[in-house]
Amino acid sequence: GAGVSQSPSNKVTEKGKDVELRCDPISGHTALYWYRQSLGQGLEFLIYFQGNSAPDKSGLPSDRFSAERTGGSVSTLTIQRTQQEDSAVYLCASSSRTGGTDTQYFGPGTRLTVL
Amino acid sequence: GQNIDQPTEMTATEGAIVQINCTYQTSGFNGLFWYQQHAGEAPTFLSYNVLDGLEEKGRFSSFLSRSKGYSYLLLKELQMKDSASYLCAVKSLQLIWGAGTKLIIKP
Repeated sequence: GAGVSQSPSNKVTEKGKDVELRCDPISGHTALYWYRQSLGQGLEFLIYFQGNSAPDKSGLPSDRFSAERTGGSVSTLTIQRTQQEDSAVYLCASSSRTGGTDTQYFGPGTRLTVL
Repeated sequence: GQNIDQPTEMTATEGAIVQINCTYQTSGFNGLFWYQQHAGEAPTFLSYNVLDGLEEKGRFSSFLSRSKGYSYLLLKELQMKDSASYLCAVKSLQLIWGAGTKLIIKP
């Protein structure tokens, strides 16, 4: 596609439920990143994929968070047993190593609200 | 440790010039990015510096001094639509993000 897409754009869920967030990167981009941004705060790195493997999972805040990427394209971020502190905007970005700058291009984000 | 510092908030007047500073301490350096983020929207790429000096792109310019661990984003002829947060990010092994500077433009 022309840009990074994410779905759903908004998700409201009840505490304790599981949620799945989807990211579709720019076609041909091998690197994919998940971030979390709370209201008025900076970007919090969650996880990074190069192809289908995740060399850096250091940002995942707890074992309730997991992510996978299949076919070197679409990625899903799963949050199990959601808590109110999980409420945030979840941003996905993709980049290509071509040219060396590795600029990240962001999707519109998924706004997650845990009641 | 790794650290990126930016002012939290700045205010400027429409038509004026503003400089947003970013200082960094990272374990490696492979380039510095500036992104713009309007409220409720995703960040969008503005500039990339990997060598010392000034990169100009229209009304926006970005400067880098690697020896000083310092960069700035210069915005000229400010417009109301420039009201946004400006994020500085340094690429070492991964991209390390500053907390962003909220720029408020007044008429």
